[in-house]
Amino acid sequence: EVQLVESGGDWVQPGGSLRLSCAASGFILSNSGVNWVRQAPGRGLEWISFISKSGSPIYYADSVRGRFTISRDNARNSAYLEMNSLRAEDSAVYYCAREGPDVWGKGTRVTVSS
Amino acid sequence: DVVLTQFPLSLPVTLGQPASISCRSSQSLVYSDGNTYLHWFQQRPGQSPRRLIYEVSNRDSGVPDRFSGSGSGTTFTLKISRVEAEDVGVYYCMQGSHWPPLTFGEGTKVEIK
Repeated sequence: EVQLVESGGDWVQPGGSLRLSCAASGFILSNSGVNWVRQAPGRGLEWISFISKSGSPIYYADSVRGRFTISRDNARNSAYLEMNSLRAEDSAVYYCAREGPDVWGKGTRVTVSS
Repeated sequence: DVVLTQFPLSLPVTLGQPASISCRSSQSLVYSDGNTYLHWFQQRPGQSPRRLIYEVSNRDSGVPDRFSGSGSGTTFTLKISRVEAEDVGVYYCMQGSHWPPLTFGEGTKVEIK
């Protein structure tokens, strides 16, 4: 079965950091770009970052540029999102999605609060 | 950035009746390769988004044929020919013709009357 599984979400204080992981199974992730999309509680979908299958180019939404870093490890069939200087408005469910975006994970929840 | 505006934002429907959702773009979504990268997603309560339609009118694998997409340029429509109980959720349009950023519409909540 083709699937993506996110992990690493947690509660963190403002200014803190987290690293999210996205593990693929049932397909070779290195054949695809990867997006991260988030959804704040009760809100819509917001695209935040993309990494191509080769690792370049990389794109970020203005709301996270300079604070978040996307990366991938094709040997591990995984992608990552390093999040620094977290703010309350970063609280959301974070989804990784294969380029398309046609395959989505179930998401991992990030809560930023003091 | 491309802005996608959906209408209506809330859509109460009767089981077995048709439903239609509109998505309008702030600029033409025809890409330089001639394709139009406008997609539709369904998000059922408590679930992650699922792509239903890609490039305006192509159904993804496993999507019932009661779902159809149409449109061109800046105006697009998702239609459900006969709404079933499992269709309850929020529907989003998304464009990938002019990115970054990928942008989504606000979402249309479909509920049963």
